[in-house]
Amino acid sequence: NAGVTQTPKFQVLKTGQSMTLQCAQDMNHEYMSWYRQDPGMGLRLIHYSVGAGITDQGEVPNGYNVSRSTTEDFPLRLLSAAPSQTSVYFCASSYYLGTGELFFGEGSRLTVL
Amino acid sequence: QQPVQSPQAVILREGEDAVINCSSSKALYSVHWYRQKHGEAPVFLMILLKGGEQKGHDKISASFNEKKQQSSLYLTASQLSYSGTYFCGTEIRDNYGQNFVFGPGTRLSVLP
Repeated sequence: NAGVTQTPKFQVLKTGQSMTLQCAQDMNHEYMSWYRQDPGMGLRLIHYSVGAGITDQGEVPNGYNVSRSTTEDFPLRLLSAAPSQTSVYFCASSYYLGTGELFFGEGSRLTVL
Repeated sequence: QQPVQSPQAVILREGEDAVINCSSSKALYSVHWYRQKHGEAPVFLMILLKGGEQKGHDKISASFNEKKQQSSLYLTASQLSYSGTYFCGTEIRDNYGQNFVFGPGTRLSVLP
């Protein structure tokens, strides 16, 4: 049972480049979400999904896109990377929003030069 | 939307107690508590659901006052392993839908 798998763990981009952070879970969880973590800011919600085909914006969605074509996968796309997007990104999933424990991936450290 | 946590940081000696508070300006339906060690992902501690319950395991417990939109995490007889950053996560439902957001964290350091 792999839980929540994030790839890549580390990535360096140049300003303007695009990339996709992958997130997959094998627990049949309905709720999936992406957070970014910056020093002193805690975990800020970027986008979330309550089921396949349904996505919504969180606190800091600008510059990011998501899709949820299957229950298992929830990729996060950076359309045109900016230095302000340098951060650690966590994917998390739960059986049901709010009432279920959030399971986190190991995180992806992204640096934008 | 982000809940407020206090204090921002606390330093304890082994065996001492600590309280971490979490409050929100919005109505809360559930509160989660997580602990994160440096360089690792957050780890779940407990959930408190609407109903004003108190939960605990080992020497860590928490309360949830939905009327005051507040939750507190209690760490008693702290151990070195309690060091880390503690986050509260709150489920909010408003006109924009259902959402789950975290507070900025409280850094706890337990010294020998």
